[in-house]
Amino acid sequence: QKEVEQDPGPLSVPEGAIVSLNCTYSNSAFQYFMWYRQYSRKGPELLMYTYSSGNKEDGRFTAQVDKSSKYISLFIRDSQPSDSATYLCAMSASSNYQLIWGAGTKLIIKP
Amino acid sequence: DTGVSQDPRHKITKRGQNVTFRCDPISEHNRLYWYRQTLGQGPEFLTYFQNEAQLEKSRLLSDRFSAERPKGSFSTLEIQRTEQGDSAMYLCASSLRLAGRGETQYFGPGTRLLVL
Repeated sequence: QKEVEQDPGPLSVPEGAIVSLNCTYSNSAFQYFMWYRQYSRKGPELLMYTYSSGNKEDGRFTAQVDKSSKYISLFIRDSQPSDSATYLCAMSASSNYQLIWGAGTKLIIKP
Repeated sequence: DTGVSQDPRHKITKRGQNVTFRCDPISEHNRLYWYRQTLGQGPEFLTYFQNEAQLEKSRLLSDRFSAERPKGSFSTLEIQRTEQGDSAMYLCASSLRLAGRGETQYFGPGTRLLVL
């Protein structure tokens, strides 16, 4: 079993819909949680960074961390075709900043 | 543009040849990471540097792979005697590691390697 599980998709939704992307993990030592967006043939771009549990909002994006369930989510409101990309979750423990990655979820926003 | 840059962006080589990639991190960042990514997978950690010191190297990394960061600025990743299985996107990331603080890794555009 992988340390971080992420549904590869593709997830296809109509423009304007609310998108929910999720990752589960097994290592309770993870403290730092990140969401990256990756367009085809490009490097990952950091979207959201959260520490420990709770919510964080930035524009149309909201990240949630539930450490008791070992579950993190990224919500995208008012989704746009330009949001079509692969979304990768990544996390690390406080004593070791090596990132452990999910496989990424491919998101398609249909106009 | 003061982001992470990588060169070349694409490389096609024949099996058995050596290749070298370069990464220029964000100038004030003290940590530099190398990752490999294949289609449909997240990045796989290869190695990282804090300043010029190579602090960790993945156990999955073959002896054919070597990385340097001689002056604590740019880094090179060399693959000797390339194999078809080395075909992947090679990503570089940099971060500013401060004691007691979390760090954020910023990625370059990657070098896409194809071994024929």
